[in-house]
Amino acid sequence: DAGVIQSPRHEVTEMGQEVTLRCKPISGHNSLFWYRQTMMRGLELLIYFNNNVPIDDSGMPEDRFSAKMPNASFSTLKIQPSEPRDSAVYFCASSRNRLETQYFGPGTRLLVL
Amino acid sequence: AQKVTQAQTEISVVEKEDVTLDCVYETRDTTYYLFWYKQPPSGELVFLIRRNSFDEQNEISGRYSWNFQKSTSSFNFTITASQVVDSAVYFCALSAAAGGTSYGKLTFGQGTILTVHP
Repeated sequence: DAGVIQSPRHEVTEMGQEVTLRCKPISGHNSLFWYRQTMMRGLELLIYFNNNVPIDDSGMPEDRFSAKMPNASFSTLKIQPSEPRDSAVYFCASSRNRLETQYFGPGTRLLVL
Repeated sequence: AQKVTQAQTEISVVEKEDVTLDCVYETRDTTYYLFWYKQPPSGELVFLIRRNSFDEQNEISGRYSWNFQKSTSSFNFTITASQVVDSAVYFCALSAAAGGTSYGKLTFGQGTILTVHP
């Protein structure tokens, strides 16, 4: 079975540009999570969806960040405008439901110059 | 609030040594789940184990074993006869099950970098 798919795997952009990260969860999983990993803050949850509905976005840093899940097989995390401090690895994870094990995608390594 | 503490930032061992990674957690929930994930140098996060708060049985899987003790709020991970391929960052994580918007959120520890030398 295919795992969580993320694209792109690497992204280099300039400050001020819009960045869109994409995620396809494991088929049949109803919960989807976006995490960010940095050296300073470690792994932190940004937002999560249950049955395509955002449940908790308290981890989203600021209004420059937005996330959508238009259907059960696709989610996006958008940063507009991007800033150098957004440089990090962004992980998407999915689970059958909110209490089941979360399986992570390979991550997107973002560098904002 | 939930918190996971992995006091060991880095551990270095020689191949075939046993090594234990410590994890201490804090939560007010009576029902919760504990996890260990491995992050090898390639960067992906690999699920290792999930434990329910009401099941304190220790678990063994090959060279890996986990010791869950509610009395000390600890969920330690031991690798027996370590190998170079075990070199990775290991994360302990906690998920509440008490309902509300925090339901199911994973709180991670800061991770322990394990280096196994040949």
